[in-house]
Amino acid sequence: DVKVTQSSRYLVKRTGEKVFLECVQDMDHENMFWYRQDPGLGLRLIYFSYDVKMKEKGDIPEGYSVSREKKERFSLILESASTNQTSMYLCASSFDEGLTTEAFFGQGTRLTVV
Amino acid sequence: DQQVKQNSPSLSVQEGRISILNCDYTNSMFDYFLWYKKYPAEGPTFLISISSIKDKNEDGRFTVFLNKSAKHLSLHIVPSQPGDSAVYFCAASAVLGSGNTGKLIFGQGTTLQVKP
Repeated sequence: DVKVTQSSRYLVKRTGEKVFLECVQDMDHENMFWYRQDPGLGLRLIYFSYDVKMKEKGDIPEGYSVSREKKERFSLILESASTNQTSMYLCASSFDEGLTTEAFFGQGTRLTVV
Repeated sequence: DQQVKQNSPSLSVQEGRISILNCDYTNSMFDYFLWYKKYPAEGPTFLISISSIKDKNEDGRFTVFLNKSAKHLSLHIVPSQPGDSAVYFCAASAVLGSGNTGKLIFGQGTTLQVKP
């Protein structure tokens, strides 16, 4: 079974802190993604990566950065956390197989910024 | 600009009846569509998908229909069971010109409640 593991289920951080969310997948997937889920807005793509050290902005990259130094690990960084970044963060990975872009998700990290 | 839209935030059906969840999209470049199911405090799990070269795909109780001319897809669950109660997300992707696999664009989700 594909496993996507996010380092924390719940996090509480203070405004202005630098926050790291870690994600690891064990299926040698080329693609990795970070989404946030908010009520009424669905899942919105923050950043994605299709190879080591490669990254592309999603729909809402402002206030975030990412790092992919190894194929299995994709980190999301909140440079200076703000209350409007309180959300559920979801990491996903997928093979690069053209049409078959099924993505596998981690369990999510509920981040609260106070 | 919402490229994938699920206009019904919620749906309630009786156990044993059919559940129909709808999804509309605006980008004609989308060529692969997926449905995900999400329980609270868990990540989404893949349910069923359909390629743009098909108009129907079936897997057990779940069937997805695609109407390309209307840019509309729907998920049918029959018969519905209480364990199907969850949030359902529709997603779409397009293979990018650079050769990279397309990113998944999600709708807002529809909360399905199946009553016993």
